[in-house]
Amino acid sequence: GNSVTQMEGPVTLSEEAFLTINCTYTATGYPSLFWYVQYPGEGLQLLLKATKADDKGSNKGFEATYRKETTSFHLEKGSVQVSDSAVYFCALSDSSIGGPRDFGQGTELSVKP
Amino acid sequence: SQTIHQWPATLVQPVGSPLSLECTVEGTSNPNLYWYRQAAGRGLQLLFYSVGIGQISSEVPQNLSASRPQDRQFILSSKKLLLSDSGFYLCAGYRGQTEAFFGQGTRLTVV
Repeated sequence: GNSVTQMEGPVTLSEEAFLTINCTYTATGYPSLFWYVQYPGEGLQLLLKATKADDKGSNKGFEATYRKETTSFHLEKGSVQVSDSAVYFCALSDSSIGGPRDFGQGTELSVKP
Repeated sequence: SQTIHQWPATLVQPVGSPLSLECTVEGTSNPNLYWYRQAAGRGLQLLFYSVGIGQISSEVPQNLSASRPQDRQFILSSKKLLLSDSGFYLCAGYRGQTEAFFGQGTRLTVV
């Protein structure tokens, strides 16, 4: 079956540091890939997505590129801010249903001023 | 904007007792609704999804069932809880792959 593996947290960075959160997946076919974010005290929300190989999803300065050859969808941001502190979830959806079927376990990011 | 109300936030239930978790949707109609569970140290796992009233698809054989009696109501149930049913349960709604909205989740502890 499908699965998503993301790097364990917590990740602690100083403001303006470069961020990478690794995500790899196993799936048959051509899934869509997502990053969701959960800010403290709030529910999950979609951050970005990519639906086919080599697509780059981007939002709020975050980017992730769908790499089929390495089955990866790593999340990056060039300069993090304190307000980026949150838990980030990588997720996968096959084409048969709209929402993700599988999520990673989440990576907690803490950005210090 | 779309909102999901899910309750309760935490729940402690004895083994063998029944369970009913409910989520309701506001701000949209005919969403696809999902129930997920997150066990300790693992990611969210899809349990059930529904594309409309009375339509339920089960992803994982288990001690749970789901129902959608109304367009904006999605219920997760069990007749007799097991210890292994403990976990974090999350209700989610989707319209396509871009519109996504989530409840706050319920942390269930079976004792």
